[in-house]
Amino acid sequence: DVKVTQSSRYLVKRTGEKVFLECVQDMDHENMFWYRQDPGLGLRLIYFSYDVKMKEKGDIPEGYSVSREKKERFSLILESASTNQTSMYLCASGWDLNYEQYFGPGTRLTVT
Amino acid sequence: SQQGEEDPQALSIQEGENATMNCSYKTSINNLQWYRQNSGRGLVHLILIRSNEREKHSGRLRVTLDTSKKSSSLLITASRAADTASYFCASHTGANSKLTFGKGITLSVRP
Repeated sequence: DVKVTQSSRYLVKRTGEKVFLECVQDMDHENMFWYRQDPGLGLRLIYFSYDVKMKEKGDIPEGYSVSREKKERFSLILESASTNQTSMYLCASGWDLNYEQYFGPGTRLTVT
Repeated sequence: SQQGEEDPQALSIQEGENATMNCSYKTSINNLQWYRQNSGRGLVHLILIRSNEREKHSGRLRVTLDTSKKSSSLLITASRAADTASYFCASHTGANSKLTFGKGITLSVRP
């Protein structure tokens, strides 16, 4: 079974803090994704990566950066957390950009 | 703009009944996928239908695709309380494009 794990289920941070969200997949997938999910807005793509050290902006990259130093790990970084970044963050991975994605359990981040 | 729009937004049925959920999209697609999300959890891939396919089955799930109407439907037969979840359609519009999700349908199955 494909397994995608995220470092925390719940996280509370203060405004201005630097926040790291980690995601690890165990299926040797080329592609990894970060989404945020907000009520009434569905899932929105923040960044994705199609190879180690490669990244592409999604629909809402502002205020975020990513890092992919190893194939299995994809990190989302909030350089200076703000209250409007309070959200559920979902990581996913997949063999091909066109086909199914496998999701982690999500991290519910609250910025106060 | 939203590529996939699900309908209805919420659906409540009795256990044993069938649940039908619809998804419409705006531009031509490479494939369309359905995902399920249990409350507070990540999404689980259910089924993928390619643009040249019209119908696909997986267990109690049946997906249809009508490219002329730019729409898809997901049918869950003989629903169970465990089917209670949010369901999302997601579409790919072409090679190496992003997967675009709809806002989801909340399905409640009453025991």
